[in-house]
Amino acid sequence: AQTVTQSQPEMSVQEAETVTLSCTYDTSENNYYLFWYKQPPSRQMILVIRQEAYKQQNATENRFSVNFQKAAKSFSLKISDSQLGDTAMYFCAFMKHARVQGAQKLVFGQGTRLTINP
Amino acid sequence: DGGITQSPKYLFRKEGQNVTLSCEQNLNHDAMYWYRQDPGQGLRLIYYSQIVNDFQKGDIAEGYSVSREKKESFPLTVTSAQKNPTAFYLCASSIWGASFYEQYFGPGTRLTVT
Repeated sequence: AQTVTQSQPEMSVQEAETVTLSCTYDTSENNYYLFWYKQPPSRQMILVIRQEAYKQQNATENRFSVNFQKAAKSFSLKISDSQLGDTAMYFCAFMKHARVQGAQKLVFGQGTRLTINP
Repeated sequence: DGGITQSPKYLFRKEGQNVTLSCEQNLNHDAMYWYRQDPGQGLRLIYYSQIVNDFQKGDIAEGYSVSREKKESFPLTVTSAQKNPTAFYLCASSIWGASFYEQYFGPGTRLTVT
């Protein structure tokens, strides 16, 4: 079974600073996907960024980037130039690669509560 | 607008009563999911469904039941057998993309049982 661990329950930074959220996972799979989801106070889950395990290049979406270390099973999220609207819970999640069409389960970490201070 | 709707946003029930949470999607997605979220924990999968009239247990299915009679709808019933039903419940749906499923989430229902 896959497990996802986020070791930082809470983090707090000043606006405009850069912050890195940590995530490690355990799997015996070789092909899989990793995701970071954001859950603001509205509690709506929003996909921030995803990484395919077969890609060596780290994914980037505007101010959000990841550091994917497959051998170390590490998948950290870096938020640059942090903004007040980045305040949220952030969840790291794992999904196995689907060999055939069918529902694929997401396995979530415990979450990191990030607060951006003005 | 396409999306996933969950109703109601807040639900209150007395202990011992069954309660059904609604989830509807108009995205034409094949697969649908139910997750439970507790404070300090990530989301945990309750049930999922790949197609109409088919569903599978997730990691914490005990005390819950589902049905999938229509592609658009995947209601979750929290039965009196569920020992700790108070939680935030999220519904999601997904469609086969290039090689993976991206899951889209509804706004959630907060269930309080007293």
